[in-house]
Amino acid sequence: AQSVTQPDIHITVSEGASLELRCNYSYGATPYLFWYVQSPGQGLQLLLKYFSGDTLVQGIKGFEAEFKRSQSSFNLRKPSVHWSDAAEYFCAFLAGNMLTFGGGTRLMVKP
Amino acid sequence: EAGVAQSPRYKIIEKRQSVAFWCNPISGHATLYWYQQILGQGPKLLIQFQNNGVVDDSQLPKDRFSAERLKGVDSTLKIQPAKLEDSAVYLCASSREIYNEQFFGPGTRLTVL
Repeated sequence: AQSVTQPDIHITVSEGASLELRCNYSYGATPYLFWYVQSPGQGLQLLLKYFSGDTLVQGIKGFEAEFKRSQSSFNLRKPSVHWSDAAEYFCAFLAGNMLTFGGGTRLMVKP
Repeated sequence: EAGVAQSPRYKIIEKRQSVAFWCNPISGHATLYWYQQILGQGPKLLIQFQNNGVVDDSQLPKDRFSAERLKGVDSTLKIQPAKLEDSAVYLCASSREIYNEQFFGPGTRLTVL
């Protein structure tokens, strides 16, 4: 079955520390992959996407993600977290015409 | 460029009542999506339109949910009658075409009592 798994429901990091959010997918081929961020009361904003080519993808707000086919993973990283990064992060893949989301990871940032 | 607009932002109803949500996509976007996001979960696609035609409604509970996109622009999503488990945020999104980046509206938070 096609699915996206985000193993960490909550993550807390200190401001200035590095961040990695995990995402694993299950799909028969290489899907189109996305990371979205959702702040309280807001819609989802696209951070970055991977369609093909370079497996390290740069996004907005200093985020990057690396596609690893052998691990079926697309982990999101940021070298130095800011307090404004506190939000919920969703990994998603596009298979056919349907965008399938993971359950999300809530990021909390300690001062 | 104006974003995706949705209204109302919040709605509280009692079970068995009906409710409707409205979405105005980004101008020129042919594809429109409605998602349901239950608390603690990722969004789930309910229905997808290409212009005024339905592309995918396989996950829409058709016994109580309906949606339309007359004239291929605005869209409404209706629930009749509502159940407690329909409490969720309903997100509308649009894209230029299928497979293009989706832009999301702020959502409508529905509480069914």
